[in-house]
Amino acid sequence: EVQLVESGGGLVQPGGSLRLSCAASGFTFTTYWITWVRQAPGKGLEWVANINQDGSEKHYVDSVKGRFTISRDNDKNSLYLQMNSLRAEDTAVYYCARERRCSTTNCYYYFDYWGQGALVTVSS
Amino acid sequence: EIVLTQSPGTLSLSPGERATLSCRASQSVSSSFLAWYQQKPGQAPRLLIYGASSRATGIPDRFSGSGSGTDFTLTISRLEPEDFAVYHCQQYGSSLTWTFGQGTKVEIK
Repeated sequence: EVQLVESGGGLVQPGGSLRLSCAASGFTFTTYWITWVRQAPGKGLEWVANINQDGSEKHYVDSVKGRFTISRDNDKNSLYLQMNSLRAEDTAVYYCARERRCSTTNCYYYFDYWGQGALVTVSS
Repeated sequence: EIVLTQSPGTLSLSPGERATLSCRASQSVSSSFLAWYQQKPGQAPRLLIYGASSRATGIPDRFSGSGSGTDFTLTISRLEPEDFAVYHCQQYGSSLTWTFGQGTKVEIK
């Protein structure tokens, strides 16, 4: 069974730092792009960042560039999001999700499995 | 960057009725890169439709997706009590980033 489990959320002051983790199991972690998506209270979904299979390619939404860093440890089947210089507007539930891209027969792009989310609250 | 606009913001319907949700893109989107998700309160999103019209594993056939270019539609043929939720469309763009619509809430009338 595919599972993604986030941890590391909590309350942090503006300007502070936090590192989220996402533990993956039930699939071959090294063959998938993995992504972070967040959802502010009462708002829609916002894609944050993603990383390719070996960690050599990363992409970010403009609002977190230079502040957030995505990484992965394939030996530990884990994904991370280092969040620095946090702002009130970063307050959200952060989800990790598995990306589906091209298979041998077709190319469809979507997120097929999601974790349960980790709440990050930035407040003084 | 492609912007996805979902309408209506809220859809008030009764069980058994048909729901039609719209997702309009600011530029043409490849159908292969358009997906729909369902989200219930306190839960993570769940994949419903990928490739604009393909149902994900385990999704009932009352859910269907259609459209191309800039206009996409999610249809729920007959609403069941468990279908009242928020629905999000999503696309993958040429900028190598992902965007979501703002969501449509389907509520019980």
